[in-house]
Amino acid sequence: EAGVTQFPSHSVIEKGQTVTLRCDPISGHDNLYWYRRVMGKEIKFLLHFVKESKQDESGMPNNRFLAERTGGTYSTLKVQPAELEDSGVYFCASSQGLAGVYNEQFFGPGTRLTVL
Amino acid sequence: GESVGLHLPTLSVQEGDNSIINCAYSNSASDYFIWYKQESGKGPQFIIDIRSNMDKRQGQRVTVLLNKTVKHLSLQIAATQPGDSAVYFCAENNAGNMLTFGGGTRLMVKP
Repeated sequence: EAGVTQFPSHSVIEKGQTVTLRCDPISGHDNLYWYRRVMGKEIKFLLHFVKESKQDESGMPNNRFLAERTGGTYSTLKVQPAELEDSGVYFCASSQGLAGVYNEQFFGPGTRLTVL
Repeated sequence: GESVGLHLPTLSVQEGDNSIINCAYSNSASDYFIWYKQESGKGPQFIIDIRSNMDKRQGQRVTVLLNKTVKHLSLQIAATQPGDSAVYFCAENNAGNMLTFGGGTRLMVKP
C-alpha cells in the first residue's frame, strides 16, 4: 500500500512569489493534516481536514496560507505571497477513523520550502 | 536530510548500549503520547505509543515510560544499533486529532 506522498520534495522561491504544495494521503483515509517545522522550532500543527471539510484550522499562521481538499482526496497548501519566515519543512499526515478519536497518523516525507 | 537549521540536543551512544531519550510535555490534559523517529529525508515514523492511564509500555527493543506527576516521557532503546540513528520526537494528543510535538533529540550511534 502506498504511503502518504508529497510534492514537490523541495521548492526554492523568492519572497513575494506563490508556492503550492500537494499532499496525497493514504487511500481511504478521511483525515488529512498539515504540519510544519520552521527554522529552529518544533513541528507544529497547521490544520486538519475530515474529507473535504476543515475540522480544525487553528494552527494556520495567517491569511497568506490557504489549504484546500476538494473532493476529499488530495490536498493543496498554497502560500501567497511567501515570506522569508515561511521557510521550513511542511509535512502532511493522514489517518483513518472518526474525528475526535485518535488514530495513528502516517506522515509523508515532507516538502522543504526555501524562501529567498 | 532536513534539519532546517534546527539545533537539536544530541545523544551519542556506542552500538550495543542502551539509549534513553527524554521529553517534557506541556499539557496535563493530554491523554495519549507517541514517540516518532525521523530519518534523513523521511517524515516522522511511529515507534510506540502510550495512553495516560498507563505508566509503562514495551515494544520490540523499545520501552516508553510516562510520569504524569512531572509531565515527563522517556523512550528507552535496548541494544542500540546504527539503524537507530535518527531524530526522535515525542508528541502529545489531547483533542482527538491534533498532535503537539516536542523539540526532538538527535540520536547518534557509534559503531
